Parts: sequence; C-alpha cells; structure tokens
Amino acid sequence: GAGVSQSPRYKVAKRGQDVALRCDPISGHVSLFWYQQALGQGPEFLTYFQNEAQLDKSGLPSDRFFAERPEGSVSTLKIQRTQQEDSAVYLCASSSQDGDLEKLFFGSGTQLSVL
Amino acid sequence: QKEVEQNSGPLSVPEGAIASLNCTYSDRGSQSFFWYRQYSGKSPELIMSIYSNGDKEDGRFTAQLNKASQYVSLLIRDSQPSDSATYLCAVSLGGSYIPTFGRGTSLIVHP
Repeated sequence: GAGVSQSPRYKVAKRGQDVALRCDPISGHVSLFWYQQALGQGPEFLTYFQNEAQLDKSGLPSDRFFAERPEGSVSTLKIQRTQQEDSAVYLCASSSQDGDLEKLFFGSGTQLSVL
Repeated sequence: QKEVEQNSGPLSVPEGAIASLNCTYSDRGSQSFFWYRQYSGKSPELIMSIYSNGDKEDGRFTAQLNKASQYVSLLIRDSQPSDSATYLCAVSLGGSYIPTFGRGTSLIVHP
C-alpha cells in the first residue's frame, strides 16, 4: 500500500478483555515501530522490529503487552486483560533501510478506550 | 526528568510572524534529530531532520542544532494559520536507532 495502515481505527474494550491491533507497514520497509500516545503527550516507544526480529521491547509496560511480526511484514500488538490505563492511541510506524532508518512514517493509529 | 524536553505551550503567534520552537535533550552522544508535525486527531508527519551542528533550511522551515548545548530548535517563517499544530521533537539518543519523542509544543497561528 501507499502508506502505513492500521486497524481498527477505534477499539472499545471492557476492562479485562484482550485486544489485537494490526499494522501493515509500507511495502519493503524493514523497520517497524510501535508507540503509545496518551492524550496531550508525545509518543512513547513500545517496541521495534527489524524484519521479523524483535530487537527491542524495552518500552512494553507490562507482560500483558505482546507484539509479533512473524513474516517480517504485518505486525500485531496484543494487549491481554486490558486495564483503564491502557487507554491511548497506539501508533505504528515503519522506515526504510534505503533511506534513513530513523525517519518514521506513521499510520493513522488505533484509539483504544478501555471502559 | 524526561530525556527530550519541550515546552508544552501553547505558543501563539500572529500570521506572518516567525515561530520559534525549542527542544533540549539529555544524551550528549545523540546524533540524529527530527521535527514532526501533528495536527489534532492525526498522526505525526516528519518535516525536518538534522544531523550536524548549524542550520538546515527547507522552505519556510529552519532547523538549528547545537550539540554542545544539547539544543535543537525549529523556526517557521511567515507563519500561516495552517501551521497551527503540535510540533514534536524526536532524538535518537546515544547510538540508538529508535527516536525518543518530547511531549510536543502546541503552536497557534492567529490571523
């Protein structure tokens, strides 16, 4: 696709439910990042993939958060037993090895509301 | 103390004026610096990158970097109401390839 695609755009979950957020990066981009953005704050790093390898997951806030990218393309961020503090916009970004790995192209985000 | 600091604002400037946005960072070994623009309800969009001390100009935007002072800024000349947005500073701290973002500065350009 032309850009980074994320789905769903909005997700409402009851506390304790599991959710899965999908990211389809720009075709050919080897690097994929997940960030969490709370209202009025900047994006906070969650995890980073290079192809299918998860090279950094230091930003995942708890073991309820899990991310995968099994074939080096589409990635899924899974949150188990959601809590109210998980409510935020989850942003996925990708970057190209041909350009600059740190120049990120963001998707539209998934806004998660936990009730 | 956050590793990338920005004043949250809002910064209000009249149309046609120069808007000056500032950012400081904690890691002296950082090499890559970015400015993203984020409109309300939208995702961040990269507008400038800078890697060397000095100024880098792109249209109405100028990024300024001073590594000795650990300071990076963004100047927007001839500000337009369409420039009203939150501007996020991002720094790849130390030798990392992972940008760390500040909280952003809200800019309001009024006619």
